[in-house]
Amino acid sequence: AQTVTQSQPEMSVQEAETVTLSCTYDTSESNYYLFWYKQPPSRQMILVIRQEAYKQQNATENRFSVNFQKAAKSFSLKISDSQLGDTAMYFCAFMKHVKGNNDMRFGAGTRLTVKP
Amino acid sequence: EPEVTQTPSHQVTQMGQEVILRCVPISNHLYFYWYRQILGQKVEFLVSFYNNEISEKSEIFDDQFSVERPDGSNFTLKIRSTKLEDSAMYFCASTGGTSTDTQYFGPGTRLTVL
Repeated sequence: AQTVTQSQPEMSVQEAETVTLSCTYDTSESNYYLFWYKQPPSRQMILVIRQEAYKQQNATENRFSVNFQKAAKSFSLKISDSQLGDTAMYFCAFMKHVKGNNDMRFGAGTRLTVKP
Repeated sequence: EPEVTQTPSHQVTQMGQEVILRCVPISNHLYFYWYRQILGQKVEFLVSFYNNEISEKSEIFDDQFSVERPDGSNFTLKIRSTKLEDSAMYFCASTGGTSTDTQYFGPGTRLTVL
């Protein structure tokens, strides 16, 4: 079974600064996907970034980037130039690499507060 | 941009009542999912659905739950006899079309059981 662990329940950062959220996972699969989702107070689940495990290059999306360490089973999210709108819960998630029909396994989440 | 929609946004019901939560997945998607998030907890998988049948379900998805795709667009989750502990956000997600590696979530339905 796959498990996802987010060891930081809460974090805060000053506006315009950089913050890194941690995520580790456990799996026996060799091929899979990893995701970071953002959940603002509205509770909508918004995809932030996605990483394919077979790709060595770390994914980036504007101010968001990941540090994917496959051997260590680590998948951290770096937010650069933090903005007030980044305040939200952030969930790390794992999905097996099988065509369609996959459930996602989520971590417990990290509550990020960006302070002005 | 296509998106997953869910109705209602908030449902309040009495314990023991039946509820039906509705989802309209993205139109060319083929794989559908329901997830649940109890307040303050992580998102948990309930069930996946493909080709008009359940593909996989978690231990949470007991006989009180059922899913259906009654027509070509809707995907529903029914809870037959609600319990207090069913109070949660329920998210529908879909994937498919040209890409099956990313699930797109709806905005969720907040279910409150009194």
